Amino acid sequence: DAKTTQPPSMDCAEGRAANLPCNHSTISGNEYVYWYRQIHSQGPQYIIHGLKNNETNEMASLIITEDRKSSTLILPHATLRDTAVYYCIVRVGTNAGKSTFGDGTTLTVKP
Amino acid sequence: GAVVSQHPSWVICKSGTSVKIECRSLDFQATTMFWYRQFPKQSLMLMATSNEGSKATYEQGVEKDKFLINHASLTLSTLTVTSAHPEDSSFYICSASGDPEQYFGPGTRLTVT
Repeated sequence: DAKTTQPPSMDCAEGRAANLPCNHSTISGNEYVYWYRQIHSQGPQYIIHGLKNNETNEMASLIITEDRKSSTLILPHATLRDTAVYYCIVRVGTNAGKSTFGDGTTLTVKP
Repeated sequence: GAVVSQHPSWVICKSGTSVKIECRSLDFQATTMFWYRQFPKQSLMLMATSNEGSKATYEQGVEKDKFLINHASLTLSTLTVTSAHPEDSSFYICSASGDPEQYFGPGTRLTVT
């Protein structure tokens, strides 16, 4: 699996957009970009994934650069409940694709 | 979305005993499940890949005789920590793969005294 690089921590004001970057310069053509978050003492929660097109769901938007070497997760209106560790992962999108976790970004949303 | 459950959610056991943790996919069949371990303030570390009907594949450095994995059906994988010691105390998380999503369980907190 490709290695990902994320900033260790970020702060965001409540109600503002949170933009979390991720570098995955060695991503392969068949690997997807996934984002998960983990709130203390819980299992990771799926947020969004994409292959090469930008994606949006009810939780977030995912922007993938044209060369696919980096991506940005956008939480459009951050709330205090969005405080968590956010993990960017690249993996093949099949049943056998395993997720290798890096250190993630600790996002702290402040009032 | 799909749901993965784990049982128990927490367990305390004495050193030298064995503990079994169950992972179930509740509304889909999972031919592949994964087991992770997470120590305090650290990221998740993949321990093994569990395939239904065949032997699990362990990551480098994970003792297969200590962490026994059985994937007996398309909805159930179990992890047994044998002869547990205090250093095995950790947060154990399983996941099940769909295509292309991967869903995670809520985790099991193991404390070995």
